[in-house]
Amino acid sequence: GAGVSQSPSNKVTEKGKDVELRCDPISGHTALYWYRQSLGQGLEFLIYFQGNSAPDKSGLPSDRFSAERTGGSVSTLTIQRTQQEDSAVYLCASSSGQGTGGYTFGSGTRLTVV
Amino acid sequence: GDSVTQMEGPVTLSEEAFLTINCTYTATGYPSLFWYVQYPGEGLQLLLKATKADDKGSNKGFEATYRKETTSFHLEKGSVQVSDSAVYFCALFSGGYNKLIFGAGTRLAVHP
Repeated sequence: GAGVSQSPSNKVTEKGKDVELRCDPISGHTALYWYRQSLGQGLEFLIYFQGNSAPDKSGLPSDRFSAERTGGSVSTLTIQRTQQEDSAVYLCASSSGQGTGGYTFGSGTRLTVV
Repeated sequence: GDSVTQMEGPVTLSEEAFLTINCTYTATGYPSLFWYVQYPGEGLQLLLKATKADDKGSNKGFEATYRKETTSFHLEKGSVQVSDSAVYFCALFSGGYNKLIFGAGTRLAVHP
């Protein structure tokens, strides 16, 4: 597609429920990243996919967080048993290579856990 | 590990004022450096970049020079507009980590 598409744009969920956030990267981009932006905070790296390599999961904050990327394209970030501290904007980005040329970000999913 | 430090905001300026947002970094090797901008309600957009020492990135009247000797990449604009109001993020791409590392962001508010 023309840009990185994320859905839903907003999600309100009850504490303890599971949520899935979707990212559709730019066609042909081999690298895909998830970041989290909490209110008033910077961007926290979560996970990185590069081609068919094993993902770099070093930023996932707990085992309630997981992500997959199917067919080297669409990615889903899943948060199980959501907690109020999970409330944040979840940003997805893609790039054509190792990221030296900069990333293209989606508009994000604003997650609110009530 | 690699890190980015940028000046705290908010920065409040009048239209046509000169802007400087300071950014310094710590990195092993020779990272690429970036400024991203986030307008209200939108995702991050790449504003400018520099890939080696003494490179100057520029876009939309904004400039930043990669200073290896001071490990800095300060963002400047000679005359800001109300439409420049946004959050600005300095970032480095660390080959050792294969990811962008961001500063905390600096909110800029420009008043008429």
